[in-house]
Amino acid sequence: GESVGLHLPTLSVQEGDNSIINCAYSNSASDYFIWYKQESGKGPQFIIDIRSNMDKRQGQRVTVLLNKTVKHLSLQIAATQPGDSAVYFCAENMGSSNTGKLIFGQGTTLQVKP
Amino acid sequence: EAGVTQSPTHLIKTRGQQATLRCSPISGHTSVYWYQQALGLGLQFLLWYDEGEERNRGNFPPRFSGRQFPNYSSELNVNALELEDSALYLCASSLGLASGYTDTQYFGPGTRLTVL
Repeated sequence: GESVGLHLPTLSVQEGDNSIINCAYSNSASDYFIWYKQESGKGPQFIIDIRSNMDKRQGQRVTVLLNKTVKHLSLQIAATQPGDSAVYFCAENMGSSNTGKLIFGQGTTLQVKP
Repeated sequence: EAGVTQSPTHLIKTRGQQATLRCSPISGHTSVYWYQQALGLGLQFLLWYDEGEERNRGNFPPRFSGRQFPNYSSELNVNALELEDSALYLCASSLGLASGYTDTQYFGPGTRLTVL
């Protein structure tokens, strides 16, 4: 069915450590994935995306890894800062169907301890 | 560059009333999307508009409707409000079908709808 699942609802890390947020997806036909960050009272903010023809993509302090074999996506945040505290969502596009629809996971709350 | 804007920020209605929410996309974007984010739940896709046409809708009843104007802004209308319609309504935009459509959707801050 349509679902994007997250392994942990809450992740607590020490400031300066690296964070890894995981996501499982169910549709093997999906070819585009996005990570969003949502701070309290705000809309989701685009962080990084990756297409299915790639295994890894890096941004500023963030890396997304895609494992199509096990349908798994992860977001790595280097040197986590207090400003990284938020809910992180992975989202999946249904690929060639061009539905305009993103399917979101339930979100992982990242808490950064000073 | 201005992002996606939404109005109002908050909206309080009573059961049975109608609500109208508004969205202005990023300049140059012609596709507009609406999502519902109920408390404790993820985002659920509602509607997609491109070039003034409804391109897709999610699994919501017909009392959720909308439109897109010639300037690409959009309205979401919710009729006969029910208590469970209370949620954050998010609008997103992207490049449209006629201008190099991409799947990357950029979100606005949302409208918090409370139904009493």
